[in-house]
Amino acid sequence: KNEVEQSPQNLTAQEGEFITINCSYSVGISALHWLQQHPGGGIVSLFMLSSGKKKHGRLIATINIQEKHSSLHITASHPRDSAVYICAVRSIMDSNYQLIWGAGTKLIIKP
Amino acid sequence: DAGITQSPRHKVTETGTPVTLRCHQTENHRYMYWYRQDPGHGLRLIHYSYGVKDTDKGEVSDGYSVSRSKTEDFLLTLESATSSQTSVYFCAISSQSQGWNGYTFGSGTRLTVV
Repeated sequence: KNEVEQSPQNLTAQEGEFITINCSYSVGISALHWLQQHPGGGIVSLFMLSSGKKKHGRLIATINIQEKHSSLHITASHPRDSAVYICAVRSIMDSNYQLIWGAGTKLIIKP
Repeated sequence: DAGITQSPRHKVTETGTPVTLRCHQTENHRYMYWYRQDPGHGLRLIHYSYGVKDTDKGEVSDGYSVSRSKTEDFLLTLESATSSQTSVYFCAISSQSQGWNGYTFGSGTRLTVV
């Protein structure tokens, strides 16, 4: 079993819909990251969370440490949001800032 | 002003030949990482560095070596390339500042071993 599981693996939605991508993990963590990878391949860090909730524009990330679960929400989705969204965690046992990676969620937003 | 650059961006090489990929940063970050990305596997750590001449293995280090002779450069070498090493390779850097561990990724190197 992977230590970081994302769901769904693939998601297709219409422009304007509210999007939720989930991440569950099985290890104790000190931080959780959400990243975005566009079709061109570049990877961009969106959020780093250790508790609570963060918001940036139309993106919202939440984390529940007790339940070992995080969600990434996109409000008023747009075709330019189409990308792979990746969840990664840093284990509390790690001292060299390595990340444990989820497999990613491929999001397609249709106009 | 990318802060991190990878070279080359694309490379095709023959089985058995040595290949070196370069990651260069201008951020003076302590930590540097090499990942490979393959369909169905997500990102997998090959090697990482926590300082000049300080490196360690990741989860898929077999067939790869690294060197970091100065802060800004982290080299990944495939001593004898195999077809299983066809992949997209990403370099990443991170720093520590009051507990924040931000990561910045390079644009990737697409390597094809024929």
